Amino acid sequence: EIVLTQSPGTLSLSPGERATLSCRASQIVSSTAFAWYQQKPGQAPSLVIYLTSNRAPGVPDRFSASGSGTEFTLTISRLEPEDFAVYYCQQYADSPSTFGQGTRLEIK
Amino acid sequence: DVQLVESGGDLVQPGRSLRLSCTTTGFTFAAYPMGWFRQPPGKGLEWVGFIRSKTYGGTADYAASVQGRFTISRDDSKSVAFLQMHSLSTEDTAVYYCVSAPSFTHGYSIAGYYRGRGTLVTVSS
Repeated sequence: EIVLTQSPGTLSLSPGERATLSCRASQIVSSTAFAWYQQKPGQAPSLVIYLTSNRAPGVPDRFSASGSGTEFTLTISRLEPEDFAVYYCQQYADSPSTFGQGTRLEIK
Repeated sequence: DVQLVESGGDLVQPGRSLRLSCTTTGFTFAAYPMGWFRQPPGKGLEWVGFIRSKTYGGTADYAASVQGRFTISRDDSKSVAFLQMHSLSTEDTAVYYCVSAPSFTHGYSIAGYYRGRGTLVTVSS
């Protein structure tokens, strides 16, 4: 199975700064079927990005994502207070689907 | 509005079985694949598996950790998906989320475009 490794484990930034979260796959992801989720404490995870770069409904345009092969990136252009959360990547291009271990985005 | 509501979570002893349900409204259930994620307490997300719509054979795929113990099924007449779990161990303790997704988002399996709030399964003696 494809192992996804997210980096960094924790990212400490201030509101207004730019956040770049990475997800590296152990082998080439065969299609664009790659997603990112946001999870706040005590809540279910919410889809942020699907098919590598498409924002889910209601997701603000400060969120963008890209990637291919083994390297995928989620960028938040200007952090708002509500963006501080844990983010997970998921590949659903190959069987079985797998998740990364998460990046905690915390307020500096 | 699309809604997915999980039910059936409970405290069960190791080795026992449990069936979770995912009751849905707001979309054409029969046309959609249905999947399950889980999240152990304080840990990350884990893929459990998914079932295709009958149009695509109605077959299911599973994570290796549950293959042979868990079965996903669906009742299109009632818009409900099920996760039957056997031989439960403490490592299966988690919040289980039901998910689905429209066809324009699909890959080999699915992302959680739609998802429920989760139901807690605790396996403990």
